[in-house]
Amino acid sequence: DTEVTQTPKHLVMGMTNKKSLKCEQHMGHRAMYWYKQKAKKPPELMFVYSYEKLSINESVPSRFSPECPNSSLLNLHLHALQPEDSALYLCASSMGRLDSPLHFGNGTRLTVT
Amino acid sequence: GENVEQHPSTLSVQEGDSAVIKCTYSDSASNYFPWYKQELGKGPQLIIDIRSNVGEKKDQRIAVTLNKTAKHFSLHITETQPEDSAVYFCAASNQDNQGGKLIFGQGTELSVKP
Repeated sequence: DTEVTQTPKHLVMGMTNKKSLKCEQHMGHRAMYWYKQKAKKPPELMFVYSYEKLSINESVPSRFSPECPNSSLLNLHLHALQPEDSALYLCASSMGRLDSPLHFGNGTRLTVT
Repeated sequence: GENVEQHPSTLSVQEGDSAVIKCTYSDSASNYFPWYKQELGKGPQLIIDIRSNVGEKKDQRIAVTLNKTAKHFSLHITETQPEDSAVYFCAASNQDNQGGKLIFGQGTELSVKP
């Protein structure tokens, strides 16, 4: 089992809904990441938090809003999404040192109707 | 920026055979090369990684080789088993740069037939 826990596992939402994805890790990691993965494609980086501060935003549309309440938690708030936003959303964490590997969660499968 | 190409996109082998997946990268400053295995319905899991000061690394049935001059690195799986069936991603990054963003290859779907 992965040490990065994501909830919910599956989410179906309409284009006018507001929902949130949650991620938790207790490995003492100081960097946390959101990735988006479409079927049969590699993960695409969305956001990076380092020591609870947003350090990278890969030009993600504002309908995706990340939040890092503390070093163990990472949220992704969703509002007014489009059907093309349907994908697997992966959270990952790392020690934050530049040579430390990423540990991924199992993702939230999001469907926008 | 960095670009990583991965081949083949699909690979089918018989149980017990070896499997080799190859990646090339474009940025000579890249110095960290992890490999991830993604099973159906799960997130990618790190299986092995190598840094540019090492030419080869082995962990039981899995090995990775790196040729810095040619800018390519390969994953070797020996004595394949059905549970090795998954999608494998290579990646590269420059760990000396702030952020050290990982650039992934397009993935290889490995099927091991019993």
